[in-house]
Amino acid sequence: QVQLQESGPGLVKPSQTLSLTCTVSGGSITSGDYYWSWIRQPPGKGLEWIGYIYYSGSTYSNPSLKSRVTISVDTSKNLFSLKLTSVTAADTAVHYCARGLGGPIGAFDIWGQGTMVTVSS
Amino acid sequence: IVLTQSPATLSLSPGERATLSCRASQRVRSYLAWYQQKPGQAPRLLIYDASNRATGIPARFSGSGSGTDFTLTISSLEPEDFAVYYCQHRTNWPPGLTFGGGTKVEIK
Repeated sequence: QVQLQESGPGLVKPSQTLSLTCTVSGGSITSGDYYWSWIRQPPGKGLEWIGYIYYSGSTYSNPSLKSRVTISVDTSKNLFSLKLTSVTAADTAVHYCARGLGGPIGAFDIWGQGTMVTVSS
Repeated sequence: IVLTQSPATLSLSPGERATLSCRASQRVRSYLAWYQQKPGQAPRLLIYDASNRATGIPARFSGSGSGTDFTLTISSLEPEDFAVYYCQHRTNWPPGLTFGGGTKVEIK
């Protein structure tokens, strides 16, 4: 079955760029009507949507983060990536990648295990 | 669209019925999902499209509602059901996505 795995540095310095990759296994990122998303969760807090991308490359981001977020997809490697620039301590969070069901339903049926990213000097 | 979940915390005993609420600031038809999250784990999809159970979800979990008011019901709490529950909606246009603030179901 399809599985997602996040990877990337666990520690990022303030003002630098957070970069994460989500590798999709067990299925193609181009098959089916899905979208691919990044979601984060600060320690002890709720879930926050960062953005999502379709395999075609169309992307949409949370307006509160939009100017700092870049999401890209590499269909040849079956993965999608997140870059968040100018990070601060407020960006410290567990970051999840997830597969979203297409169309109006939009629910996330498959999640990665999550990766903790700490912003600290 | 803002999703408001209530109550923030629900204290119940195993075997009791849990009723969780999610209210949307605008009508979202039936396009609402519910997730369960346990400590140290990723969220798990329980319900999509307001009332459809995801694959492998026990029948004690049910969802209802449309428009702006939605409910997740756990008919008889099992020990493994004590967790945090989130609702979620995605808008097609303008593109966006939002989660509710969560309801923690704790053991009384």
